[in-house]
Amino acid sequence: DSGVTQTPKHLITATGQRVTLRCSPRSGDLSVYWYQQSLDQGLQFLIQYYNGEERAKGNILERFSAQQFPDLHSELNLSSLELGDSALYFCASSVVTGPDAFFGQGTRLTVV
Amino acid sequence: QKEVEQDPGPLSVPEGAIVSLNCTYSNSAFQYFMWYRQYSRKGPELLMYTYSSGNKEDGRFTAQVDKSSKYISLFIRDSQPSDSATYLCAISDSGYALNFGKGTSLLVTP
Repeated sequence: DSGVTQTPKHLITATGQRVTLRCSPRSGDLSVYWYQQSLDQGLQFLIQYYNGEERAKGNILERFSAQQFPDLHSELNLSSLELGDSALYFCASSVVTGPDAFFGQGTRLTVV
Repeated sequence: QKEVEQDPGPLSVPEGAIVSLNCTYSNSAFQYFMWYRQYSRKGPELLMYTYSSGNKEDGRFTAQVDKSSKYISLFIRDSQPSDSATYLCAISDSGYALNFGKGTSLLVTP
């Protein structure tokens, strides 16, 4: 158990809908990262927050947004969902900004 | 060209064999090198983390980085069936975002 908690584990929703994925980082970790894993693209970095502030942005679509709250948990909001958004979404956390991040178990999103 | 290339396998070896997993990368600015293990339906688990060229050993695992060739390797000695998983290399220049290979699927047969 990495100590990173993601909810929900599974989510099935229809095209055009909006969902929110939640992540609680390990105790003491200030950085939260979001990744998307699909069969064809592999693990892709979406966005990073550090102590409530956006720190880095990767291949995140404009329909997607994230935030980190004062208690350091983070939410990833996905809107106007398309079939191609079906994937595993992982949250990771690290103490400060560093590459040795610890991953949660992921949220499997299925868009039908 | 993808920034990190990794042979997807699958790679099948008998128990006790030495396993060699490799990645190549294109950006010479990369300076952080990681290996993750991912079991089916689970999140990636950090195995090894190196910053510089050379070797780093941790139990049965050895990570090797050759910056001049832009080539990284993970060796697993005395492989066990419990090592069966997908192994992902991850590389970063800034320490912020990880660039992942697509992963190599490893099967260790008893």
